[in-house]
Parts: sequence; C-alpha cells; structure tokens
Amino acid sequence: NAGVMQNPRHLVRRRGQEARLRCSPMKGHSHVYWYRQLPEEGLKFMVYLQKENIIDESGMPKERFSAEFPKEGPSILRIQQVVRGDSAAYFCASSPIHSGELFFGEGSRLTVL
Amino acid sequence: TQLLEQSPQFLSIQEGENLTVYCNSSSVFSSLQWYRQEPGEGPVLLVTVVTGGEVKKLKRLTFQFGDARKDSSLHITAAQPGDTGLYLCAGSLLGGATNKLIFGTGTLLAVQP
Repeated sequence: NAGVMQNPRHLVRRRGQEARLRCSPMKGHSHVYWYRQLPEEGLKFMVYLQKENIIDESGMPKERFSAEFPKEGPSILRIQQVVRGDSAAYFCASSPIHSGELFFGEGSRLTVL
Repeated sequence: TQLLEQSPQFLSIQEGENLTVYCNSSSVFSSLQWYRQEPGEGPVLLVTVVTGGEVKKLKRLTFQFGDARKDSSLHITAAQPGDTGLYLCAGSLLGGATNKLIFGTGTLLAVQP
C-alpha cells in the first residue's frame, strides 16, 4: 500500500518561473491537504481539497498560488512567478475521510535562485 | 500569532535519559496529535489524543492530553539515538474544520550515544 507520493522531491527555479508540485494521495483517500514548511518555522496549512473541489484555501497566498485536485490524476500545487521567499518544503497529506489523522508525503523542496 | 507553543525548542541529551516535551495553547482543541519528522522526510503520526486527561503509551513514549484540552505533553523514557528527530504537536481547533491542523513550533531532539 503505497503512501502519499510527491514529486518532484527537489525543484530549483529562477525568479519569475513557474513551479508545479504534484501529490498522489494514498489509495482510498479522497481528501488532500497542502502544507508549507519554511526554514526555522513549523508547518503552515495552505489548502484542503477533495476531488474537483477546493474546500478551504484560507492558508493560500492571494496571488500566484493555486491548487487543484482533478477527477483523474494527482493534486497539483502551482506557484507562478516564483520569488525567493517561496523557497520552502511543501508537504502534501491525505486522509480517507474527514477525520483528524493525516498521512504526509515526503515533501517537495523548492529552491528559488 | 502562534496558537501552539512547544517547549523546549531544542533538546540535546545522552542515551538513557528521560525527557518531556510540552505543547501549550490558550485555545481548546477537539483533538491533538503528535508527529515525528526526520530530516528530509515528512511528518509521521505517532498518536492522536481526543479526551481531556487521556494518557496513551507507545513503547517508551507516553502522551498526555490536558484536562481542559489546551495542552499536551510527550514523555520519553530511556531515550535512544533512534529517537532523534523533530517532534511536532498538531491540533484541530474545537469548532473548527477537523482536518485543518494547526502545528506547533516543534521540538528538535538530539540523543547522543
């Protein structure tokens, strides 16, 4: 039973480029969450999605960030026109139902040069 | 504003020693979880506590949820080098979205052999 799969594990982008991070939830899980972990900080909630629906995006920056979880395929976190402050580890988590237990992926580490 | 404060932030101890990590808040949580995160990896769930005053044991780890559900502690007996890692508490606010976990600031534990 594969866990939450994230790719790429590491991504380097120059300022102004786009970053796309992918997350495939655990089998049978229909709820996906994205968290961001900045250096020296804890995990911060970004967005909660179900298939084809954004349920809660209260933690997403208002500009340049978007997320989707299509009917088929992985969830995608998209960051447009990246800036150095976007450098962080982005973690995806999934849960089977609307419960409080999340299973995390290994993260995607974005470095903006 | 940090809703969940963990202490200490850093802890370096010798193998065989005991330690306690604290997670405190002024807010009430419907549930609280403890995760352990190793470098380059995602957080891994250790335990979930739901009832005020609840105590759960996981081998050498003892978790307690405060009576008022505002705080929690993690006690490790006879620490081993394999316990080294970042320990994170995370809670679901009472009345809030169950899966919108709020993470603590983290405690970085190093156990020296």
